[in-house]
Amino acid sequence: EPEVTQTPSHQVTQMGQEVILRCVPISNHLYFYWYRQILGQKVEFLVSFYNNEISEKSEIFDDQFSVERPDGSNFTLKIRSTKLEDSAMYFCASSEDRSPLHFGNGTRLTVT
Amino acid sequence: QKEVEQNSGPLSVPEGAIASLNCTYSDRGSQSFFWYRQYSGKSPELIMFIYSNGDKEDGRFTAQLNKASQYVSLLIRDSQPSDSATYLCAVRNQAGTALIFGKGTTLSVSS
Repeated sequence: EPEVTQTPSHQVTQMGQEVILRCVPISNHLYFYWYRQILGQKVEFLVSFYNNEISEKSEIFDDQFSVERPDGSNFTLKIRSTKLEDSAMYFCASSEDRSPLHFGNGTRLTVT
Repeated sequence: QKEVEQNSGPLSVPEGAIASLNCTYSDRGSQSFFWYRQYSGKSPELIMFIYSNGDKEDGRFTAQLNKASQYVSLLIRDSQPSDSATYLCAVRNQAGTALIFGKGTTLSVSS
């Protein structure tokens, strides 16, 4: 069964540094998403992406964050000037259309 | 503010019993409803989705939707210890693409 692939599985970075989280969505899917989950808290929507542009974003997704589809397969989340509170599990997801989301295994980001 | 509310639990049931998980949502424009299961440290895994009022059954799972009451539930029949997990309710409105998640209900099935 096709799956969403995320790399790396764990990223450790120092406060103030930039990180890029990578995702390969399911190949025939058109919608891509990033979510985050701070330890012990709920899964929070960050951004959705369709047709090479952001289709929806939450209040969390401020100027510190950006997304990109640099080629035909990858979908990235860039976090600039990381803060301690950015430590979380970041999930990428994709969907064919407005159908159920399929999630990747996540990247655990630890900011020290 | 779109909210999805769930009782955090834990909900404890014996093996073989029916587990009933509930969810309410605030946005009357919500059109699609999803149940995901999340094991500790893992990603959400889709169990079921429902779009229309009424019941939808898939194996041991039944999703129930009442749009007038803004209420969606998940029944798990013949609960197994492997069903022990956090169950996430998620809602999508008509205009948006994003799913908004509740905090989840932790289910514990004892053998």
